[in-house]
Amino acid sequence: DAGITQSPRYKITETGRQVTLMCHQTWSHSYMFWYRQDLGHGLRLIYYSAAADITDKGEVPDGYVVSRSKTENFPLTLESATRSQTSVYFCASSESGQKEGTQYFGPGTRLTVL
Amino acid sequence: AQSVTQLGSHVSVSEGALVLLRCNYSSSVPPYLFWYVQYPNQGLQLLLKYTSAATLVKGINGFEAEFKKSETSFHLTKPSAHMSDAAEYFCAGILTGGGNKLTFGTGTQLKVEL
Repeated sequence: DAGITQSPRYKITETGRQVTLMCHQTWSHSYMFWYRQDLGHGLRLIYYSAAADITDKGEVPDGYVVSRSKTENFPLTLESATRSQTSVYFCASSESGQKEGTQYFGPGTRLTVL
Repeated sequence: AQSVTQLGSHVSVSEGALVLLRCNYSSSVPPYLFWYVQYPNQGLQLLLKYTSAATLVKGINGFEAEFKKSETSFHLTKPSAHMSDAAEYFCAGILTGGGNKLTFGTGTQLKVEL
């Protein structure tokens, strides 16, 4: 089925462990984004990518690493998870930049760090 | 700092009543503005967007929003609420000094009562 998917949908991990959240889109959109959603903060941009092999930091990048070797995939890695990274993570894609393009969001990954 | 502010984290209306969700922005030049809706356990979906064309923007599901520069507002309205409108609504904008990145408000949870 076409669209934007995220996996896993739910993840529980322990402090200090490495975790990778996957994001896959089938539209060949150039732009992809990672957000975290926390109560009282709305959505905050972690990283984004304008094309394969091009990534840039958002508002809250510390503790996260991204890569984009293929247009359709944009994994987000927490190198050493902390409790403060407990959140719901959303991936989004867009045909063009944020001004012109509508962002399409995945269903989210709920991450709990114990 | 440039920001998007949503007044009221929770709004409750009766079915058939007017829906009014408030959004104000802070930006030195007119921004691009968006309203997104999030249904439970789903990603965000675009309702409508303002990109400096018409100030009254019509979106999906009967929603509309009016850009008022003098009031720095972009309030979302719907003449008659339906039970299926119950969701969380996010106002977002591309603001000056934001590096062309989308800044989200903290969200408003809309409850529709019989």
